[in-house]
Amino acid sequence: DGGITQSPKYLFRKEGQNVTLSCEQNLNHDAMYWYRQDPGQGLRLIYYSQIVNDFQKGDIAEGYSVSREKKESFPLTVTSAQKNPTAFYLCASSGKSGNTIYFGEGSWLTVV
Amino acid sequence: AQSVAQPEDQVNVAEGNPLTVKCTYSVSGNPYLFWYVQYPNRGLQFLLKYITGDNLVKGSYGFEAEFNKSQTSFHLKKPSALVSDSALYFCAVSLRGGYNKLIFGAGTRLAVHP
Repeated sequence: DGGITQSPKYLFRKEGQNVTLSCEQNLNHDAMYWYRQDPGQGLRLIYYSQIVNDFQKGDIAEGYSVSREKKESFPLTVTSAQKNPTAFYLCASSGKSGNTIYFGEGSWLTVV
Repeated sequence: AQSVAQPEDQVNVAEGNPLTVKCTYSVSGNPYLFWYVQYPNRGLQFLLKYITGDNLVKGSYGFEAEFNKSQTSFHLKKPSALVSDSALYFCAVSLRGGYNKLIFGAGTRLAVHP
């Protein structure tokens, strides 16, 4: 089936740890995105990538890092510098401007 | 600053009645407009979008949205609500040209009562 796969669905992080969320798409989309969702708020853009080996910071990039070595993959690392990482993380992908952005099923990250 | 407003945190409607979820936006130029729905613990599902042309856009699951340029609004509507429509609804806009960045509203929770 075509779509966007995020893993794991649930992840727990200890203080001081880095964790990586996986995102894979088989839609042949050039652009990929990471959003963060907190209760009562809309989605906020963390990072985006329009093409392989290139990515840009979104609105809340501090404490996060990404890579885009393959068209299909856009992993997000939540570093220990992110002081409030507990949230629902959504990966998305799209074609060119104006095309619909499609979302994965999300990953819950909780700090323990 | 460019923004999207969903003025109602929650909308309550009885099953079978029409529903409206409101959205207004403040962005430069003529944006693309989107509606998404989110069920608990799930990702966002695309419902419909306005690019150009007819101001009434039809989408998935019987939803439609009306674009009003003078009021900068893009309200989501459905003639007859179902209990299964109960979910969180997001309005979003993206700017023409450049990369495909979505600006989201805070979301409106729709509760359809039997």
